[in-house]
Amino acid sequence: EAGVVQSPRYKIIEKKQPVAFWCNPISGHNTLYWYLQNLGQGPELLIRYENEEAVDDSQLPKDRFSAERLKGVDSTLKIQPAELGDSAVYLCASSLNSGNTIYFGEGSWLTVV
Amino acid sequence: AQSVTQLGSHVSVSEGALVLLRCNYSSSVPPYLFWYVQYPNQGLQLLLKYTSAATLVKGINGFEAEFKKSETSFHLTKPSAHMSDAAEYFCAVSVDGGSQGNLIFGKGTKLSVKP
Repeated sequence: EAGVVQSPRYKIIEKKQPVAFWCNPISGHNTLYWYLQNLGQGPELLIRYENEEAVDDSQLPKDRFSAERLKGVDSTLKIQPAELGDSAVYLCASSLNSGNTIYFGEGSWLTVV
Repeated sequence: AQSVTQLGSHVSVSEGALVLLRCNYSSSVPPYLFWYVQYPNQGLQLLLKYTSAATLVKGINGFEAEFKKSETSFHLTKPSAHMSDAAEYFCAVSVDGGSQGNLIFGKGTKLSVKP
């Protein structure tokens, strides 16, 4: 069974440019998460989806970050415009539902220069 | 509010020695607790979890952790370290006690294993 797939794995962009990350969760998983991991830190939840609905986006900086999960499967996380401080790893995870174990993808590593 | 503190950002042990990684938690509800491992340039993999059943939890790769409510601790141990155990380890607590995905993570402990 395929795990959580993320792309791109690595991205380098100049500040003020837009960037988007894509996530394909494990088949059949209804709950999808985006986490942010800064260097030397543990992951922090950005947003959680139950099917198509964003049920917890309290930690998502809505001035420059947006996310969507159309049709309740794949998800995209966008940053526009990117800032130097956005350099981090963006982790996608999924679970059957919110009461089950989550499985992480390998992450998308963003460097803003 | 829930929080997790991992004592020691870097732990170094010799191959074959005991591994002990410390985690203390704070939770306003009965906690669900987790240990994840992260190898370089990879995502996180679940090692083990405590969800209010047995207090001694066994995980993958020979790791185990014991939930001690009186000490608010959930330390991770392994009797004999292998070179392949070198990685970063994260302790986490569930935000609402029932969800296993809405987690608060500690800052991580990097484990080095010397030959």
